[in-house]
Amino acid sequence: DIVMTQSPDSLAVSLGERATINCKSSQSVLYTSNNKNYLTWYQQKPGQPPKVLIYWASTRESGVPDRFSGSGSGTDFTLTISSLQAEDVAVYYCQQYYSTSPITFGQGTRLEI
Amino acid sequence: QVQLVQSGTEVKRPGASVKLSCKASGYLFTSYYVHWVRQAPGQGLEWMGVINPNGGTTIYAQRFQGRVSVTRDTSTATVYMELSSLRSEDTAMYYCARAPNVYGSGRSWFDPWGQGALVTVSS
Repeated sequence: DIVMTQSPDSLAVSLGERATINCKSSQSVLYTSNNKNYLTWYQQKPGQPPKVLIYWASTRESGVPDRFSGSGSGTDFTLTISSLQAEDVAVYYCQQYYSTSPITFGQGTRLEI
Repeated sequence: QVQLVQSGTEVKRPGASVKLSCKASGYLFTSYYVHWVRQAPGQGLEWMGVINPNGGTTIYAQRFQGRVSVTRDTSTATVYMELSSLRSEDTAMYYCARAPNVYGSGRSWFDPWGQGALVTVSS
């Protein structure tokens, strides 16, 4: 299994400040034939299913504010929120889809103000 | 709009089985894989398996092999997930989710997700 490890487990950031969440995979999720990283980021608010923010490690989903950005390649990835808003309080998960045996998620990072 | 609507809350005894449904609408059902993911109370996300609605082939997480079965009914655009030999640790919210990456053979992010179905296993 590809193990996904997020850091930190929780994070408190002031409004308007930058938030950075890291995700490390136990093996590369870069598919060399198409040069794509099979890594996505979700935001989950209480009582709701996860919502996709970023896929292919750095492609922002339509409708997602541009303060959210993803970066990284291979085994190390970062989700950055450039200027934290109150509505960004949530749990954030990374997920690899390089392998379906099985697809795996990070343990989640709780973001608070 | 693309939507997945799941069946409702279930309460089951240990050892029983549960069968959840996930009805798709707003897109061509057979063109997109559908995954199942669960989330125990206060815990993270756990992938269970995936089905290709075009043909019905499935892949399951090893830890659920032999206990889980995902099927589909193309006439109603519905995917089903049955989990057997339930134990208390199976108490969780169960989500279905579509895989938008049509070229990935199921290797995809998930969007959209169903609203979830809470399964409680208790004696």
